[in-house]
Amino acid sequence: DAKTTQPTSMDCAEGRAANLPCNHSTISGNEYVYWYRQIHSQGPQYIIHGLKNNETNEMASLIITEDRKSSTLILPHATLRDTAVYYCIVIAGAGSYQLTFGKGTKLSVIP
Amino acid sequence: GAVVSQHPSRVICKSGTSVKIECRSLDFQATTMFWYRQFPKQSLMLMATSNEGSKATYEQGVEKDKFLINHASLTLSTLTVTSAHPEDSSFYICSAADGNSEAFFGQGTRLTVV
Repeated sequence: DAKTTQPTSMDCAEGRAANLPCNHSTISGNEYVYWYRQIHSQGPQYIIHGLKNNETNEMASLIITEDRKSSTLILPHATLRDTAVYYCIVIAGAGSYQLTFGKGTKLSVIP
Repeated sequence: GAVVSQHPSRVICKSGTSVKIECRSLDFQATTMFWYRQFPKQSLMLMATSNEGSKATYEQGVEKDKFLINHASLTLSTLTVTSAHPEDSSFYICSAADGNSEAFFGQGTRLTVV
């Protein structure tokens, strides 16, 4: 699976959009970009995933660059409950459930 | 989304004893479940893959005789930490897949060995 690079930490004001970047320059054609988050002392929570096209669901939007070498997770209106570690994971095929977690980005939403 | 439940959420045990952690898929069948371990301020590390009706596959460096995994049904996998020691204190998390496109995680079990 391709390696991902994320900033260690980010701050975001409550109510503003949080944009979390992820670099995956070695991604292969059949690899998907998945995002999970982990709130302190809880199990990870699935957010969204995509292959080529931008995706949106009730939680977030995922913007994937045309060359697929990077992506951005967007939380449109961050709340204090969005404070968590966000993991960007690249896996082969939408059905490979064995996930390799990097260090992720610690997002702090500030009142 | 699908629900994965872990029990207990936290446990304290004495050094040398064994502890069993259960992972259940509540509303779907999971032929494969995964067990992760997370030490403080670190990321999740995959320990083993649990396959229903067959032996688990362990990651390098994880002792299969110490971390016993049983996946006897399509909705239940158990992880038993045998002869626990303080260095086994950690946050243990399971995940399972519903056959669609994402894995769902349990809420985790905080193990403290004293």
